[in-house]
Amino acid sequence: KQEVTQIPAALSVPEGENLVLNCSFTDSAIYNLQWFRQDPGKGLTSLLLIQSSQREQTSGRLNASLDKSSGRSTLYIAASQPGDSATYLCAVVNDMRFGAGTRLTVKP
Amino acid sequence: EAQVTQNPRYLITVTGKKLTVTCSQNMNHEYMSWYRQDPGLGLRQIYYSMNVEVTDKGDVPEGYKVSRKEKRNFPLILESPSPNQTSLYFCASSLFSLAFSDTQYFGPGTRLTVL
Repeated sequence: KQEVTQIPAALSVPEGENLVLNCSFTDSAIYNLQWFRQDPGKGLTSLLLIQSSQREQTSGRLNASLDKSSGRSTLYIAASQPGDSATYLCAVVNDMRFGAGTRLTVKP
Repeated sequence: EAQVTQNPRYLITVTGKKLTVTCSQNMNHEYMSWYRQDPGLGLRQIYYSMNVEVTDKGDVPEGYKVSRKEKRNFPLILESPSPNQTSLYFCASSLFSLAFSDTQYFGPGTRLTVL
């Protein structure tokens, strides 16, 4: 059974810092991995979807990488801003297994 | 505007009183699903539907029912709610099944409290 883990559970950084969020999964037989953002009291917003044949995807200041062999994905956020404060979740799409999320706080 | 809507957004009820949470999408998506989110556990899938009249259990289906009579609607039914079903519920949809690299669109969530 696929298990998805996100470490750390919470992260606080000063504005402008580059940061990396980690996601690990136990079964490398995945189709896709998706990163979401969740704001308090709101639903999930898809950020990036990486297909199993890809190694990374980029959108603006966000870059997500996927290493199936090691069971890891990372979400890189460049030049963080207070508006990036949210909970970030990763999900193995074919199983629809989510990690518990990393709560990010970017301090002005 | 493309969206997934859920109603109600907040609900407080008592043990055993049947309730329905509605979910509707306006994107003509085939795939719809329900999740619950609990602290420290992340999101767990309750039920999903590949198309009209096609539903299947997710990871935590006990105590829940669903139906898919129309493509746009996928209601979640709690026949006899219990306190352990207190949670934040999300409905989601995507164009096709998840194996086809489709982005899932999530509703705003329904916070349910069962006393």
